[in-house]
Amino acid sequence: RKEVEQDPGPFNVPEGATVAFNCTYSNSASQSFFWYRQDCRKEPKLLMSVYSSGNEDGRFTAQLNRASQYISLLIRDSKLSDSATYLCVVNGPNTGGFKTIFGAGTRLFVKA
Amino acid sequence: SAVISQKPSRDICQRGTSLTIQCQVDSQVTMMFWYRQQPGQSLTLIATANQGSEATYESGFVIDKFPISRPNLTFSTLTVSNMSPEDSSIYLCSVGETEAFFGQGTRLTVV
Repeated sequence: RKEVEQDPGPFNVPEGATVAFNCTYSNSASQSFFWYRQDCRKEPKLLMSVYSSGNEDGRFTAQLNRASQYISLLIRDSKLSDSATYLCVVNGPNTGGFKTIFGAGTRLFVKA
Repeated sequence: SAVISQKPSRDICQRGTSLTIQCQVDSQVTMMFWYRQQPGQSLTLIATANQGSEATYESGFVIDKFPISRPNLTFSTLTVSNMSPEDSSIYLCSVGETEAFFGQGTRLTVV
C-alpha cells in the first residue's frame, strides 16, 4: 500500500462546477497535512494546509479525518485557471526525524 | 516562507556525463531536500542535505550516483553522475521540515 494515495484522475469539469479530491494516508502518526498545486512544467506550490477542524480559503475547502486517515479538497465554482495537478502531502515522524510524503497527484482540467 | 533559486532550469546532456544542480536559499536553513519527479509521477525524496555532515540518502539512491554538497546554511548542490536516459527527470530542491518550499526545478534530458 502506498503511503499517500490519490485518485490520479483526470477530472474533466466545466467552469463553475464543484469538484472534490480525496486522499488517504497509511501512517497514523502523521502530523501535518497539505494540498499543493503543481502547474505543468512548474514546481509544486502550497495551496493550503489541512486542519482537523477543516479550513476554507475562498473557493477551496480542506477537510481532515484522522480516524479514517483521509483528507479531502473541495473546489467550488471552478475556474479555467484551476486546471493543474493537486498533490496531497503528509508529514510525519520517521526514523531519524520527520518525513514529507507526496501523493502522485490528481489532475484537474476545467473547460469553458 | 523562503525564496529558492535553482539552476540550471533545464539541460540536455549526453549519457555518461555528469550534471551539477545548484540551489540557493535566501535564508539560513538546517536541512535542504533533493527530490526527483519522473514524468507523470509524484516527487520522490533522493536525500536530505545537512550542513556540516554527510547527506542522508533514501532507499534506492546512493552517494556515488547522486553526490551532494552542503558547504553552508544557504546553499547545496546535487550532482547526477554518469547519466543514462533513465535519469531524465525533473530535479527539485526544497526547504522546510513541515511546509515545503521548492526551487523552480531542473528539467534534465539525457540523450
